[in-house]
Amino acid sequence: QVQLLESGGSVVQPGRSLRLSCAASGFTFSSYGMHWVRQAPGKGLEWVAGISHDGNTKLYADSVKGQITISRDNSKNTMYLQMNSLRVEDSAVYYCATGNTVGTQRPHDSWGQGTLVTVSS
Amino acid sequence: EIVLTQSPGTLSLSAGERATLSCRASQSVSSNYFAWYQQKPGQAPRLLIYGASSGATGVPDRFSGSGSGTDFTLTISRLEPEDFAIYFCQQYGSSPRTFGQGTKVEIK
Repeated sequence: QVQLLESGGSVVQPGRSLRLSCAASGFTFSSYGMHWVRQAPGKGLEWVAGISHDGNTKLYADSVKGQITISRDNSKNTMYLQMNSLRVEDSAVYYCATGNTVGTQRPHDSWGQGTLVTVSS
Repeated sequence: EIVLTQSPGTLSLSAGERATLSCRASQSVSSNYFAWYQQKPGQAPRLLIYGASSGATGVPDRFSGSGSGTDFTLTISRLEPEDFAIYFCQQYGSSPRTFGQGTKVEIK
């Protein structure tokens, strides 16, 4: 059974940094691309970033380019999201989700429960 | 970037009725890499439909997807009480992956 467990969300001041983690189990993590999707309170879903199965390809939404770095450690079955220079508008629930398998374009079949980031002074 | 526009914003229906949700893309979606998700309050989204018309594992067959190119539809043939939720469309064929703004299906 696929499980994705996010952690690292907290209340932080504007301008500070935060690193989110997504621990995966129940599937062959190293065969899947992975993504971060966020949802501001009462708002819709916003794709933030994605990383290929081997970590060689990283994609970012324009809204976070230069501010956020996605990475993964396949030996630990874990994906990360490093967020710097946080702004109030970065406040959201951050979900990790599965993506493409090797050679196959996939939607987000599985999602974690989300971790809440609140940026406030 | 492909912009997805969902309509209507809110759909007020009764249990047992048919629901038809639409999503229009600003440009053609590559190879029908198009999905629908359901989200209930306090929960993560759940994949319902992928490839525009294929049901995800465990999804009841009252949910169906159709469409191609720029126009896509999610149909719920007979609403069950547990179907009242928010539905999002997404294209995953080109980067950035984009979502529609959502359609809320509420009890009339």
